[in-house]
Amino acid sequence: EADIYQTPRYLVIGTGKKITLECSQTMGHDKMYWYQQDPGMELHLIHYSYGVNSTEKGDLSSESTVSRIRTEHFPLTLESARPSHTSQYLCASSGVGLAGYTFGSGTRLTVV
Amino acid sequence: DQQVKQNSPSLSVQEGRISILNCDYTNSMFDYFLWYKKYPAEGPTFLISISSIKDKNEDGRFTVFLNKSAKHLSLHIVPSQPGDSAVYFCAASTSISSGSARQLTFGSGTQLTVLP
Repeated sequence: EADIYQTPRYLVIGTGKKITLECSQTMGHDKMYWYQQDPGMELHLIHYSYGVNSTEKGDLSSESTVSRIRTEHFPLTLESARPSHTSQYLCASSGVGLAGYTFGSGTRLTVV
Repeated sequence: DQQVKQNSPSLSVQEGRISILNCDYTNSMFDYFLWYKKYPAEGPTFLISISSIKDKNEDGRFTVFLNKSAKHLSLHIVPSQPGDSAVYFCAASTSISSGSARQLTFGSGTQLTVLP
């Protein structure tokens, strides 16, 4: 079954640690996205990719970085986590045309 | 500046009645609109969409209405069911995004609670 997977679902980590949030999709989509969402707030685009070796920053400034070495994989890395990074991170992908996004289940990150 | 606004953070309706969720936008270049539904601890799931060349799109119990002159769209759920209780996000996109991709701009969501 084609889908998009995010791991871990929940992560509690100490300040200063390096973390990588994983995102993989099996739909062969070229375009992938990372959104950040705080409770009661809109989803903010922080990174996107239109294909392998293509990455761009989104509307919301983020200290995280991303890579796109394989079509199916779009990991997000925080080199030094801080409490201000506490949020939900949602990965999505999209195909051609007007089709909407398919979202993963998200990673709830808490930095203590 | 928030280009997609959902001014009602929450809405409660009785089971069997109609739920109406509203969304306003400011960017006249938006030409495609979507509604997503989100349960706690899960990612948003696509619900229904509408192109700017239409003013109505219906899919089962869900209907989306678009009023371009007012830059307003609404989602109607009839009849509402307790399983519809979730956060509903309105999203919009424009074909004038960079590259060939469309990027979605989301509203802040409305928590719908359907009471049994």
